[in-house]
Amino acid sequence: DADVTQTPRNRITKTGKRIMLECSQTKGHDRMYWYRQDPGLGLRLIYYSFDVKDINKGEISDGYSVSRQAQAKFSLSLESAIPNQTALYFCATSDSGQTSLAASDTQYFGPGTRLTVL
Amino acid sequence: AQSVTQLDSQVPVFEEAPVELRCNYSSSVSVYLFWYVQYPNQGLQLLLKYLSGSTLVKGINGFEAEFNKSQTSFHLRKPSVHISDTAEYFCAVSDRGTYKYIFGTGTRLKVLA
Repeated sequence: DADVTQTPRNRITKTGKRIMLECSQTKGHDRMYWYRQDPGLGLRLIYYSFDVKDINKGEISDGYSVSRQAQAKFSLSLESAIPNQTALYFCATSDSGQTSLAASDTQYFGPGTRLTVL
Repeated sequence: AQSVTQLDSQVPVFEEAPVELRCNYSSSVSVYLFWYVQYPNQGLQLLLKYLSGSTLVKGINGFEAEFNKSQTSFHLRKPSVHISDTAEYFCAVSDRGTYKYIFGTGTRLKVLA
């Protein structure tokens, strides 16, 4: 079984709909991240969480919200989807046990969710 | 603001030939540097990273990278590529003052038979 799973893997939705992307991990890591990938733009950070009670905005958090339901689960929501949120979304995890300095962590990525907003 | 530049969006190379994928970053502070690979329809996985010490870093699958502080570069190299190396490669940088990774825009490596 994969260590970091994302559901759904593909989703087509309409403008204005609320949608939730889910991420679960069995790695026992405490740090979790949501990124979006757009062609030619690389990956950009949406939100990150260093433990269950810690949620932080990334560089492109507008239009998104997150919930850290447990150490192993981190969900991303689009309250009212718009077409420019069409992208590939990745969840990632890292382990604070490697070092207290998150900047040096290796991140472990899920397989991604391809979201299309019509 | 910190940034990462991957100069080549696509690199075609014949099988068994050497390859270099270029990465430059802009930062005046101490940084950590990473290379990740993304195979088709998969998430990213770490190839190698530079935290400190020797400037030549060896990673998985025969890849290596050299940290050059004066040129602010972290180029990825492999002496002989295989068809299976066809993928997209991302350089990333984080600085010790903050946690955040900044990813480059990626380089698509296509290995030709």
